[in-house]
Amino acid sequence: AQSVTQPDIHITVSEGASLELRCNYSYGATPYLFWYVQSPGQGLQLLLKYFSGDTLVQGIKGFEAEFKRSQSSFNLRKPSVHWSDAAEYFCAVVPYNNNDMRFGAGTRLTVKP
Amino acid sequence: DGGITQSPKYLFRKEGQNVTLSCEQNLNHDAMYWYRQDPGQGLRLIYYSQIVNDFQKGDIAEGYSVSREKKESFPLTVTSAQKNPTAFYLCASSIDPGPSYNEQFFGPGTRLTVL
Repeated sequence: AQSVTQPDIHITVSEGASLELRCNYSYGATPYLFWYVQSPGQGLQLLLKYFSGDTLVQGIKGFEAEFKRSQSSFNLRKPSVHWSDAAEYFCAVVPYNNNDMRFGAGTRLTVKP
Repeated sequence: DGGITQSPKYLFRKEGQNVTLSCEQNLNHDAMYWYRQDPGQGLRLIYYSQIVNDFQKGDIAEGYSVSREKKESFPLTVTSAQKNPTAFYLCASSIDPGPSYNEQFFGPGTRLTVL
């Protein structure tokens, strides 16, 4: 079945530590890939997106993501986490030749002082 | 400032009542979407509209209705037929829904609670 999987429901990291949030998808052709961030009680803000080309994508707030076709993954990374990064993160895909955006279940990030 | 507004931010409803959630955008986007968000389930598509006076059901349309009489407005009605309406509702829009996919921009959401 076609799906978007975020294996980690909740991650806790210390401020200043590095971060990697995982996202895997199962679609036949490479979909369009997105990462969104949501602060409590707020809407979603786009961090970055991948359509084609360079597989390492830079986004806002110091985030980056790497598309790996062989692993069907689009993991989000940040070298040094700030307390303000505490939020929920959603991976989303739009299948090729389709306009329906599909979201993962989300990963909640907690940042320890 | 261009953006998407949703009102109200919090909404309380008694069982058996219909309620309408507002979504307005001034981005001149053609496509608009409604999602429902429940804890641990990500976002699920309720309805979407690619153009004025046209809309399609998403994955969980039962118990909901929409209209798209104006480009900038896409209100969602939660009817009494919706069995479990308590959730966070998000509205989004994109430039157009065509093959060159455009990102979706989200409103701040409306939290609906059924008492």
